[in-house]
Amino acid sequence: ETGVTQSPTHLIKTRGQQVTLRCSSQSGHNTVSWYQQALGQGPQFIFQYYREEENGRGNFPPRFSGLQFPNYSSELNVNALELDDSALYLCASSSVGGIGVQYFGPGTRLLVL
Amino acid sequence: AQTVTQSQPEMSVQEAETVTLSCTYDTSESDYYLFWYKQPPSRQMILVIRQEAYKQQNATENRFSVNFQKAAKSFSLKISDSQLGDAAMYFCAYRIPSQGGSEKLVFGKGTKLTVNP
Repeated sequence: ETGVTQSPTHLIKTRGQQVTLRCSSQSGHNTVSWYQQALGQGPQFIFQYYREEENGRGNFPPRFSGLQFPNYSSELNVNALELDDSALYLCASSSVGGIGVQYFGPGTRLLVL
Repeated sequence: AQTVTQSQPEMSVQEAETVTLSCTYDTSESDYYLFWYKQPPSRQMILVIRQEAYKQQNATENRFSVNFQKAAKSFSLKISDSQLGDAAMYFCAYRIPSQGGSEKLVFGKGTKLTVNP
């Protein structure tokens, strides 16, 4: 069974640029959730994708967008990067319904200069 | 709004001893799920233990157990026979069952656990 993978592991961007982060879900899982974890904080929910549709969104502006593909992998796109976007971005996959435990990837560390 | 509070920013324990990490949450829901995740310096969030609110029996996973007090909205984690590898950030998280909506996790701010040899 393959776990959740994310790429890249680290990324440095400058303010105003755009970034795409990628996530491959664990085999058998059909739901992907994205979280932002600022330094010293708990993860904050960005949004979730199920069956290639956004299925719930946290308190993040529209410049945070995503996609889910037929193989259940997912992308997180952030436009017009701001300094406060510097954080660890975590992807989690799960099967919808029931206790639906979310299994996390290793994260992408984004630094915006 | 659902919130999760971890009142202990840092805790320390001697190797082989027992430590308890606290977590309280606020919700008006009667059915929900609670989790403890561990995040070592490698950054990957690892599930430690989970509890369904409708189950009165406290969950146990090897050296890890919880004390779930539904009326008090408390969900503490007990680590027995602490090992050096238990050193990490521990996050308490809450989720309501999916009803066609998202299954988002709400996390606390975490407790940093240090294990002293």
